Amino acid sequence: GAGVSQSPRYKVTKRGQDVALRCDPISGHVSLYWYRQALGQGPEFLTYFNYEAQQDKSGLPNDRFSAERPEGSISTLTIQRTEQRDSAMYRCASSLAGQGRYNEQFFGPGTRLTVL
Amino acid sequence: GQNIDQPTEMTATEGAIVQINCTYQTSGFNGLFWYQQHAGEAPTFLSYNVLDGLEEKGRFSSFLSRSKGYSYLLLKELQMKDSASYLCAVSLTSNDYKLSFGAGTTVTVRA
Repeated sequence: GAGVSQSPRYKVTKRGQDVALRCDPISGHVSLYWYRQALGQGPEFLTYFNYEAQQDKSGLPNDRFSAERPEGSISTLTIQRTEQRDSAMYRCASSLAGQGRYNEQFFGPGTRLTVL
Repeated sequence: GQNIDQPTEMTATEGAIVQINCTYQTSGFNGLFWYQQHAGEAPTFLSYNVLDGLEEKGRFSSFLSRSKGYSYLLLKELQMKDSASYLCAVSLTSNDYKLSFGAGTTVTVRA
């Protein structure tokens, strides 16, 4: 079956512009996660949804970052007034939370964001 | 903050065994995951440990000692396709939704 998909795969924007990154989780996965991954580093947790409810947004760096998942499926991560330090790979993951003895997260291919 | 340490790089020969160590000091612990990430690709799940001891899964095994804050991933009969980054991740919450990752260990397999 289809895995997690993300769009766009690459995004180049100018400083000060807003960007919206989309994540389409695996069908039936109730949990969805956003991570940021710098080159040579592991993914860094940003936020987590259970169905449409944003359960934890403690990893969002500041109030320029927001995320939503209005119908409990597709999610959008929005970065307002982008800055050069926002340049990174943004990854989405999804999982069948609460089933089985552990919660395996399936990662998407990511969106490479470059802020000029 | 969370502290998860693993070596930056390791090199081994095809057919050999490599052990990747991970030590952690975190605010919570609900289990430890290992993920594999090939260059330019997404991380993929390898193993999970919640109790002390060894979990074996084909050529890959993972060990956990909660009292020592220590885990290792053992890769046996190395193949060229095992060249990748291996990420240690601690689950901080009861349903494993919040993972704290180490920086990853890049393993290079030489012929």
